[in-house]
Amino acid sequence: AQSVTQLGSHVSVSEGALVLLRCNYSSSVPPYLFWYVQYPNQGLQLLLKYTSAATLVKGINGFEAEFKKSETSFHLTKPSAHMSDAAEYFCAVRGFGNEKLTFGTGTRLTIIP
Amino acid sequence: GAGVSQSPSNKVTEKGKDVELRCDPISGHTALYWYRQSLGQGLEFLIYFQGNSAPDKSGLPSDRFSAERTGGSVSTLTIQRTQQEDSAVYLCASSLAGRFEAFFGQGTRLTVV
Repeated sequence: AQSVTQLGSHVSVSEGALVLLRCNYSSSVPPYLFWYVQYPNQGLQLLLKYTSAATLVKGINGFEAEFKKSETSFHLTKPSAHMSDAAEYFCAVRGFGNEKLTFGTGTRLTIIP
Repeated sequence: GAGVSQSPSNKVTEKGKDVELRCDPISGHTALYWYRQSLGQGLEFLIYFQGNSAPDKSGLPSDRFSAERTGGSVSTLTIQRTQQEDSAVYLCASSLAGRFEAFFGQGTRLTVV
């Protein structure tokens, strides 16, 4: 069975600083990995996904994530934080076939002006 | 439809009453999920339907909760004898199998008074 661990339930960064949200996965098979974002009072939307093609994945709003098999990690980064990035971010993993999507507990990102 | 549709968007019910929440997934999506999100919390997995397979009910918190998916499409989540702790946003998502991401509805906000 797959699982994901998101280190840090709350992360604060200054506007313009690097954003780094951590996600480590556990999977018995090569996984498919996803990052979702949830803005206040809204639903979840997909930021980016890794599906075994390029290990560096670029998503919307300037975010990217790198799949590192040796570290079982899929950390989310953005070079320069913007106030509009304040949201909850969820990492998720899925195996082959009919395996269900499994979410981490989420990281709330706060941007300091 | 163009996306996952959930109804009602808001539901206020009295403690002890039964409620039904509806989810219309994206046409052709074989997988359907229900999640619960309490105020300020992460995603709590409830149930997973995949095609004609037996659903994964491992996340249902008590026998007051049940769900069905008719004809491989529309799903209904039923909560019997509602309690105040059932107050939350109930999210539905659908996807294709494997490497494909899940698409979320806007959720149903349930308030038990």
